[in-house]
Amino acid sequence: RKEVEQDPGPFNVPEGATVAFNCTYSNSASQSFFWYRQDCRKEPKLLMSVYSSGNEDGRFTAQLNRASQYISLLIRDSKLSDSATYLCPGDFTGGGNKLTFGTGTQLKVEL
Amino acid sequence: DAGVTQSPTHLIKTRGQQVTLRCSPKSGHDTVSWYQQALGQGPQFIFQYYEEEERQRGNFPDRFSGHQFPNYSSELNVNALLLGDSALYLCASSHTTGEQRDTQYFGPGTRLTVL
Repeated sequence: RKEVEQDPGPFNVPEGATVAFNCTYSNSASQSFFWYRQDCRKEPKLLMSVYSSGNEDGRFTAQLNRASQYISLLIRDSKLSDSATYLCPGDFTGGGNKLTFGTGTQLKVEL
Repeated sequence: DAGVTQSPTHLIKTRGQQVTLRCSPKSGHDTVSWYQQALGQGPQFIFQYYEEEERQRGNFPDRFSGHQFPNYSSELNVNALLLGDSALYLCASSHTTGEQRDTQYFGPGTRLTVL
């Protein structure tokens, strides 16, 4: 089983919709998690770190459920510019040494 | 404030050749990690350099080697290229305090094609 698993999608949603992605992980030694977005043929860009208490940044909300070993990302009021692949790497070694990625979830926001 | 930079942006090589990719970290960062991203996959960790030493390594063969310079910039070398080495090679930089590395920021990548 992969350490980090994501539904590859694509998730096709209309503009203005609310969409949520989950990301499950199998390594119980999880330390830190992040959400990155990656546009086609570009580098991953940090969207937000994921804290145990959950955190929100504008239209984006991230949650971490350690007991069930998943993290989630909620996007409200989707914009066309939100179309991208969303990656949820975990750092299972501790100390920020190594990020382990899943395959990413593709989001397409349509008019 | 310059972000992470990488060179070259694109590269075409043939099987058996050797390649060197370069990375300059974001200002204030001292740690460089390298990742390989094949088409349709997430990035895979190759190795990480801090204080000019390889600190951690992923599941990559010895054909993949690296170096970090005193100015914190880094090189990734791949020998005896295989078709399967075709990928986007990403460099990520971070700052280390004690045993803790901060969030990693990625450069634009080098797209390597092996023919």
